[in-house]
This record gives sequence, C-alpha cells and structure tokens, in this order.
Amino acid sequence: EAGVAQSPRYKIIEKRQSVAFWCNPISGHATLYWYQQILGQGPKLLIQFQNNGVVDDSQLPKDRFSAERLKGVDSTLKIQPAKLEDSAVYLCASSLGGWAKQPQHFGDGTRLSIL
Amino acid sequence: DAKTTQPTSMDCAEGRAANLPCNHSTISGNEYVYWYRQIHSQGPQYIIHGLKNNETNEMASLIITEDRKSSTLILPHATLRDTAVYYCIVTQGAQKLVFGQGTRLTINP
Repeated sequence: EAGVAQSPRYKIIEKRQSVAFWCNPISGHATLYWYQQILGQGPKLLIQFQNNGVVDDSQLPKDRFSAERLKGVDSTLKIQPAKLEDSAVYLCASSLGGWAKQPQHFGDGTRLSIL
Repeated sequence: DAKTTQPTSMDCAEGRAANLPCNHSTISGNEYVYWYRQIHSQGPQYIIHGLKNNETNEMASLIITEDRKSSTLILPHATLRDTAVYYCIVTQGAQKLVFGQGTRLTINP
C-alpha cells in the first residue's frame, strides 16, 4: 500500500514570506495529523483532523499557521508570515481512526528553512 | 510532557539482540504503549504497540511488565539499518502522540 505522500521535500524562504505544504494520506485513513519537528527534538502535534473536521488544534499558532482538509482526504498546512523559529521539518501522518489502538503512519516530511 | 523515560543512547553489535527499555510508571489502564523509530532524514516509522500483553510482529517484540510500569522493545537480530532514534510513547483516547527525546540506538559492525 502507498504511504503518506508529502510535498515539497524541501523549501527555503525568507522570513515574512508565506509557504504551503501538501499531504496525501494513506487511502481510507480518516484521521490526519500535522507535526512540527525542530532539529534535535521529537515531533510535536500541531493539528489533528477527523475526516474534514478539526479534533485538536491546541498547539497550532493560529496567528500565522492554518490548515485545511477539504473533502476529508488531502490536506494543506500554511504559514503566513514565516518567522525564523518556524525552521523545522513538517510531518504529516494518518491513521484509520483517531483512537489509541490504530497506529499513525508518517510521511518523510517537508524540511523548511527560513533565511 | 512526555510520560516515558528512556536512556539517551545505546550501542549494540550487529547480529545481536537489541533491548531498548522504557519506563512509564504513571501509565493508566487504558493507555497503549507505542514504539516508533526515526532514521535520519525520514519520518517516524511505526514499529509495534501493546496494551498489556506481549506483542510480536515481523519487526520486533514488545515485552510489557505485569504492572505495566515499564516495557522493553526487542530487535532480535540487529542490522546496521536499525540505527535510529527509538521513541517509546504512551497514548490513549484521541491518540495524541507526545514524543520525548527517545533513545539513539547505534548498531556497530
């Protein structure tokens, strides 16, 4: 089965610019997650979707970050405007359902560098 | 905050079993123990999970103590490709994964 697809793989922008990341989850997976991983740290959940509804966005910096999952499949994460501290790998994950007995499967992420 | 404690780093010889410990003394009855690993420049890879019974799959075995306060991930015949950061996570309900620092496992030839 195809895994979680993310693009682009790398992105370099200047601070105050905007950027968007795309994620295509595993087919049939209802739950989608976006994580931020800063160098040297473990991933941190930004937002969780169940189908096209938001379950948890408590860690999402809503003044600059936004995410959507139209039609309950693909998702985009946007940062506008970007700050230097946003330099990180942005990981997308999906699972069959948002309950503990279903594992999450991750994509390889988008590495964002802010100049 | 992560609810698990893992050693910062471990070494293992190629071909030997790698045993990675994890303490989760505050685990509650409905929390699962999950193990993921992350190889450089890749996303975390799911390895195995369990609630209270020991589990085995094609990648590894998970041994959970009877009181569920600790667990051990066993890679039976480690190869160089098993070099990675291994994360032990406990989770419940809406399945929010809280990653700690993990254990950096190095497999030596």
